[in-house]
Amino acid sequence: KAGVTQTPRYLIKTRGQQVTLSCSPISGHRSVSWYQQTPGQGLQFLFEYFSETQRNKGNFPGRFSGRQFSNSRSEMNVSTLELGDSALYLCASSLEGVPSYNEQFFGPGTRLTVL
Amino acid sequence: EDKVVQSPLSLVVHEGDTVTLNCSYEVTNFRSLLWYKQEKKAPTFLFMLTSSGIEKKSGRLSSILDKKELFSILNITATQTGDSAIYLCAVENNAGNMLTFGGGTRLMVKP
Repeated sequence: KAGVTQTPRYLIKTRGQQVTLSCSPISGHRSVSWYQQTPGQGLQFLFEYFSETQRNKGNFPGRFSGRQFSNSRSEMNVSTLELGDSALYLCASSLEGVPSYNEQFFGPGTRLTVL
Repeated sequence: EDKVVQSPLSLVVHEGDTVTLNCSYEVTNFRSLLWYKQEKKAPTFLFMLTSSGIEKKSGRLSSILDKKELFSILNITATQTGDSAIYLCAVENNAGNMLTFGGGTRLMVKP
């Protein structure tokens, strides 16, 4: 069974630009969560989608947004990029989204560098 | 706001040593605590703990939770170079659907 895939794997952008990252969950999984990982802040929750609905959102500015499609694939968008947005963006998929009930499987991440 | 603190930040040991990684937490309406291993990019699941005092074990790795003192430990015995990784602790509250992670412990095992 194929794992979680994320595209692109690496991305370089400049300040002020916007970026869209994509996550394809494991087949049959309906929940997709997004996390930002930086050396200073560790892994921080961005948002979680289930059946095309955002169920939970972390403490990030409105420049960070996401959506989920009917096939459970998810995208996240960051507008007006800042240097501090440089990070590894991880997505995780699970059947129903509750970590204690359904194991979350992480993708390899997208490494975003903002110059 | 839920909070997870891991210690030490980093650790260097030699093969064969035993290590103990610590995770303390503050969470409203605790549901579970999870441990992950991150070697290169994608964290992989190790353990999920929900009850105090019950040790979870997988090979040389074991973990236990203390819900009264709000902490968990991850033990690795007879360490190997393949254990070199970042170990992440995360908690889940009853609202579900999200994890709050600690900053991780970077373990390096030297031959």
